[in-house]
Amino acid sequence: DIQTTQSPSSLSPSVGDRITITCRTSRSVDIYLNWYQQKPGSPPKVLIFRASTLETGVSSRFVGGGSGTVFTLTITNVQPEDSATYYCQQTYTTPFTFGPGTKVQIK
Amino acid sequence: QVQLVQSGSELKRPGASVKVSCRTSGYTFTSYAMNWVRQAPGQGPEWVGWINTHSGDPTYGQAFRGRVVLSMDASINTAYLEINSLKAEDTAMYYCARDVSFDKWGQGTLVTVSS
Repeated sequence: DIQTTQSPSSLSPSVGDRITITCRTSRSVDIYLNWYQQKPGSPPKVLIFRASTLETGVSSRFVGGGSGTVFTLTITNVQPEDSATYYCQQTYTTPFTFGPGTKVQIK
Repeated sequence: QVQLVQSGSELKRPGASVKVSCRTSGYTFTSYAMNWVRQAPGQGPEWVGWINTHSGDPTYGQAFRGRVVLSMDASINTAYLEINSLKAEDTAMYYCARDVSFDKWGQGTLVTVSS
């Protein structure tokens, strides 16, 4: 199975900051990586698919990058509504493994 | 619009079985595979498996082989997740999610296993 890790495990930015979350996979997944935002009581919501493609309706403040084994999710101009847990997931091969998550709490 | 609507919460005793449904609308059911994802309380999501809705063939994650059965009824555009011999550690929210893109999700079904 492909192992998926994330760093950091938590962040506490201020409104207006720019933050970056990194996701690493144990072997290459090409560009087949999704990023999700999850708020309590709701299912994960896809923000970015295929590493860098923004899902329809998602703010352009969310930017995905990378390929192979290292990927990033950058949130620019952080807003209070960005408070959530963010997960990456490789969709290159089954099992489609998720990262452990990064909790973002806005100061 | 595309919708995935799951069945309601379940409370089960250890050793029992549960069958969760995911009823779809707004797209051609057999054109997109259906995933199932488990999320235990306070934990991250975990992929359970998926079913090829064209052929009906399921694929399971290693941790779920043996006690989990994925099935479907294309005539009513519905996918199912069945868990047998329930254990306390199966207590979790279970989600269905469409295709390898995971672009649409059901609202989730809470399964609680308790004596």
